[in-house]
Amino acid sequence: AQTVTQSQPEMSVQEAETVTLSCTYDTSESNYYLFWYKQPPSRQMILVIRQEAYKQQNATENRFSVNFQKAAKSFSLKISDSQLGDTAMYFCAFIVGPSNTGKLIFGQGTTLQVKP
Amino acid sequence: NAGVTQTPKFRVLKTGQSMTLLCAQDMNHEYMYWYRQDPGMGLRLIHYSVGEGTTAKGEVPDGYNVSRLKKQNFLLGLESAAPSQTSVYFCASRGPGPNHYEQYFGPGTRLTVT
Repeated sequence: AQTVTQSQPEMSVQEAETVTLSCTYDTSESNYYLFWYKQPPSRQMILVIRQEAYKQQNATENRFSVNFQKAAKSFSLKISDSQLGDTAMYFCAFIVGPSNTGKLIFGQGTTLQVKP
Repeated sequence: NAGVTQTPKFRVLKTGQSMTLLCAQDMNHEYMYWYRQDPGMGLRLIHYSVGEGTTAKGEVPDGYNVSRLKKQNFLLGLESAAPSQTSVYFCASRGPGPNHYEQYFGPGTRLTVT
């Protein structure tokens, strides 16, 4: 079975500091894609960052970066210079590709609170 | 572009009542999905569609039906609502072909069944 596990239900960080959210996944496939989605209090799901499993280089999007460890099946999200607007629930997800169904597998989510 | 829209945003039902949630996308996407979000469980796939006129079951399909009569619309129906269906429902869509992976989400519908 393909699963995603986020072991930190809740985290907090001081504004301007750095925080890392953990994610592990399980699949026997070699070609897949990993995502981090942000869900602020507005409920809207927003794609933060994506990583192709065949790429060794870790993805970066401004203050957001990932640490992708394929052998360990680990995909953590690092948020640098945390801002109050980063307060949200964060979901790790992956999809096996190429995919004719496109089914995303989600983790349970991590609630991040950024404190002033 | 409006992206993915959902109607309604909130709804309260009594046990046994029926309703239909509407999802619409204006990106000409082939694939559409319905998820439910419950506390501590992330998003779980209810049903999905890989094209107009096609639907398939996801992880938690019981108690729900879907239809995709038009490419831009994906309807989720509850024939006889139960309290266990109290949840937030999300619709999503993605681009054509097996190599497009990013899903675009609607704003969600909060459904309460009393």
